[in-house]
Amino acid sequence: AQSVTQLDSQVPVFEEAPVELRCNYSSSVSVYLFWYVQYPNQGLQLLLKYLSGSTLVKGINGFEAEFNKSQTSFHLRKPSVHISDTAEYFCAVRSLKTSYDKVIFGPGTSLSVIP
Amino acid sequence: DVKVTQSSRYLVKRTGEKVFLECVQDMDHENMFWYRQDPGLGLRLIYFSYDVKMKEKGDIPEGYSVSREKKERFSLILESASTNQTSMYLCASSFDLGQFFGPGTRLTVL
Repeated sequence: AQSVTQLDSQVPVFEEAPVELRCNYSSSVSVYLFWYVQYPNQGLQLLLKYLSGSTLVKGINGFEAEFNKSQTSFHLRKPSVHISDTAEYFCAVRSLKTSYDKVIFGPGTSLSVIP
Repeated sequence: DVKVTQSSRYLVKRTGEKVFLECVQDMDHENMFWYRQDPGLGLRLIYFSYDVKMKEKGDIPEGYSVSREKKERFSLILESASTNQTSMYLCASSFDLGQFFGPGTRLTVL
């Protein structure tokens, strides 16, 4: 079975500052990894995903994430945040053996960008 | 542009009522999912469907049922709503490796 931990439930950061949202996972098999974003009063939107290959993955809105297999981590980063990045961010994992695109979501990290 | 729609954004029901939440996708996706979202718990899978008339229980199926009579439509049914089912309900669809979400239905059971 897989599980996902997001250590920070809330992250406040000033506008134009860098941010890192942490995600760790546990799995006995190889996995695919995802970051989703949820803006206020909306559904989730896929930010980026790691399937294979380069461990540095670039997504939409200037976000990137790095897969670290030895540390079982997939941290999300942005070098300079904007007010519009204020949202809930979810890390998710799917085993390569799982059928039907079923994923496990972390509890979420609420990013608040302060002007 | 891909689209997943949910029948209501906000819904208020009374304890014991039968509640239907509808979800429609226009992407011809095989897989569809129903989640509930609660603060601090993230998204928890209630049921999913991988084909018409095919369904499987997720992690928290108790008190819920589903129906998928057509490929584009996946319904979540609360047979007898209870106050502990007050939550945000999210529908999603996928073909492979990435889910597309609807805007959610915030259900309040009084």
